[in-house]
Amino acid sequence: AQRVTQPEKLLSVFKGAPVELKCNYSYSGSPELFWYVQYSRQRLQLLLRHISRESIKGFTADLNKGETSFHLKKPFAQEEDSAMYYCALKAGGYNKLIFGAGTRLAVHP
Amino acid sequence: SAVISQKPSRDICQRGTSLTIQCQVDSQVTMMFWYRQQPGQSLTLIATANQGSEATYESGFVIDKFPISRPNLTFSTLTVSNMSPEDSSIYLCSLGQMNTEAFFGQGTRLTVV
Repeated sequence: AQRVTQPEKLLSVFKGAPVELKCNYSYSGSPELFWYVQYSRQRLQLLLRHISRESIKGFTADLNKGETSFHLKKPFAQEEDSAMYYCALKAGGYNKLIFGAGTRLAVHP
Repeated sequence: SAVISQKPSRDICQRGTSLTIQCQVDSQVTMMFWYRQQPGQSLTLIATANQGSEATYESGFVIDKFPISRPNLTFSTLTVSNMSPEDSSIYLCSLGQMNTEAFFGQGTRLTVV
């Protein structure tokens, strides 16, 4: 079965602290994974994708096929990082996505 | 990046009525997807809208409840029929193109009273 699991509904940290948002997936083929972010009152937008191996806004995510994980990390959280973060798995060739439940990141001053 | 306009942005509807949500894109796209985000929940795919053929529905969603139109490559509509309070959600359209990221509309916040 195709599934994305984000075990934490809420992650609350102080500014400057490291952040790790967990994501595990279940997929029989070769997975393509994404992190989407939704800031308050804004539309859902792509943060990063595993095939790009890029760092966006200081965030990185490495695909670990052995652990079937795609955790999102940032060494020093900023208040403007506060948002909902969704891990997503591409389930088809045209960006048909399966989303995790989402994790709300709250960064306190 | 593609520009997606979704209308209405929000609505409050009486139970038993229907609401049609429109999604307009500024360029031609092969696939369009409709998602639902219930309060406090993640996004769930309702259906894939193909131009020139019937939409493909995910498990738990049926055409009678969520009829979809896709008259051309830049436009799609989703109708929520015979609404009940359980249909109160955010409904989002998304674009599907090969080898590009998925873009989302701003969503339609529906409240059924």
